[in-house]
Amino acid sequence: AQRVTQPEKLLSVFKGAPVELKCNYSYSGSPELFWYVQYSRQRLQLLLRHISRESIKGFTADLNKGETSFHLKKPFAQEEDSAMYYCARTGTSYDKVIFGPGTSLSVIP
Amino acid sequence: ETGVTQSPTHLIKTRGQQVTLRCSSQSGHNTVSWYQQALGQGPQFIFQYYREEENGRGNFPPRFSGLQFPNYSSELNVNALELDDSALYLCASSPGWGGTGELFFGEGSRLTVL
Repeated sequence: AQRVTQPEKLLSVFKGAPVELKCNYSYSGSPELFWYVQYSRQRLQLLLRHISRESIKGFTADLNKGETSFHLKKPFAQEEDSAMYYCARTGTSYDKVIFGPGTSLSVIP
Repeated sequence: ETGVTQSPTHLIKTRGQQVTLRCSSQSGHNTVSWYQQALGQGPQFIFQYYREEENGRGNFPPRFSGLQFPNYSSELNVNALELDDSALYLCASSPGWGGTGELFFGEGSRLTVL
C-alpha cells in the first residue's frame, strides 16, 4: 500500500530555532514527493516539491531513498511558519496524490 | 486566473440522506480530484476525474460517486449518509498530463451528518 507517515502530530519550536518535520513514505515505484502547507484560514497549498530542488520561504526537503524519508527543514523558524504541514507522494498515476496525517507546527515568539 | 471554487461551504444533513457537492476547476485544468478530510487527519483520496472519466479511486464505498462535466467542473455525490461521513470535502484541480503533480485546492465543503 502507498502510505505517508508523519510521526509528530504537534511540534513546537522557539523563534529562531531550527525546525525539522519528519516524513517517511512507503516504497512503491518512483514517487514524486511534496510538502503542502495550510496556514490559518487559508486553503491547502503546495510549499515545495522534490523535483524542483528549490528552497521556498527558507524551507528545504531532502529525499533519502535508502531511508524512504523526505524531511522538511528550516534553519531559523519564524512565527509566520506556524501552520499545518502535510507530506505527500504521488500514487499509481502522476496526479493521484496521497497525503500524510500532517504535523502542526507552532513557532513560539 | 480563477482558482478552484467549491459549493456549498457548509451543510448539515441527516443519516440516510443524499448530498451533492460541487467544484469548479481552475482555468486550464482538466483533472479534478476529491478528498475527504476528517477532523485531525490528512486528506484521504476519494477519486479523480480526467476528461470526464474516473481515473482512479481510493478506498471508498460505491455510495461515493462523481461526475465531471465538459467544462471540467465536477460533482461529488454521497448516498445513504452515515455519521462518519462528517468531514471537510476538498476538491483539487490540476492540468493533467504534462503537469507537475501540483494540486490546486478549493476551500472545501464542510459536511455535518446528524
